[in-house]
Amino acid sequence: GENVEQHPSTLSVQEGDSAVIKCTYSDSASNYFPWYKQELGKGPQLIIDIRSNVGEKKDQRIAVTLNKTAKHFSLHITETQPEDSAVYFCAASRSNDYKLSFGAGTTVTVRA
Amino acid sequence: NAGVTQTPKFQVLKTGQSMTLQCAQDMNHNSMYWYRQDPGMGLRLIYYSASEGTTDKGEVPNGYNVSRLNKREFSLRLESAAPSQTSVYFCASRLVYEQYFGPGTRLTVT
Repeated sequence: GENVEQHPSTLSVQEGDSAVIKCTYSDSASNYFPWYKQELGKGPQLIIDIRSNVGEKKDQRIAVTLNKTAKHFSLHITETQPEDSAVYFCAASRSNDYKLSFGAGTTVTVRA
Repeated sequence: NAGVTQTPKFQVLKTGQSMTLQCAQDMNHNSMYWYRQDPGMGLRLIYYSASEGTTDKGEVPNGYNVSRLNKREFSLRLESAAPSQTSVYFCASRLVYEQYFGPGTRLTVT
């Protein structure tokens, strides 16, 4: 099955700085890579996703890059704000069933 | 439009007891999922339903059963709860690619 590894496990950044989270995956057949944000006591919420036919995708302050050859993808958050503090999860799946395999999560803390 | 709802929010069981976690979605989605989340780990898939009447095992199905009662509802049953099943359980539904998650059920087995 798919194995997704995520680094770092914790990340502390100064408000206004950038945050980068990296993930690797093992199944070369995976072609859908979402990123979820989870706030305390809530379910995960999709913030951005990318498919294997695209190398980069951007949505305002958030961007995701994908390197299929190396089997890794990254989340970039620019101009971080206190409301960006949360746990972020990467995931991977095949597009026939979207059964997600998640990374272990990164706790991001934005210092004011 | 409530999205994905889960009941109960919290539950404490004794070892050996049984219970059913309920999940319902009002978005007319075909696919539904059950995940569990343990401290320091990401979510792990327990069971998946592509459509009404179909179910499929995920990564960690042992000790669980599911029922896709209709298009809206997907329940997860623990027949004989064990302490290893202490976790937060999330239900999700999907129409195209994005999975929408419910608020979770926090289950403790003593």
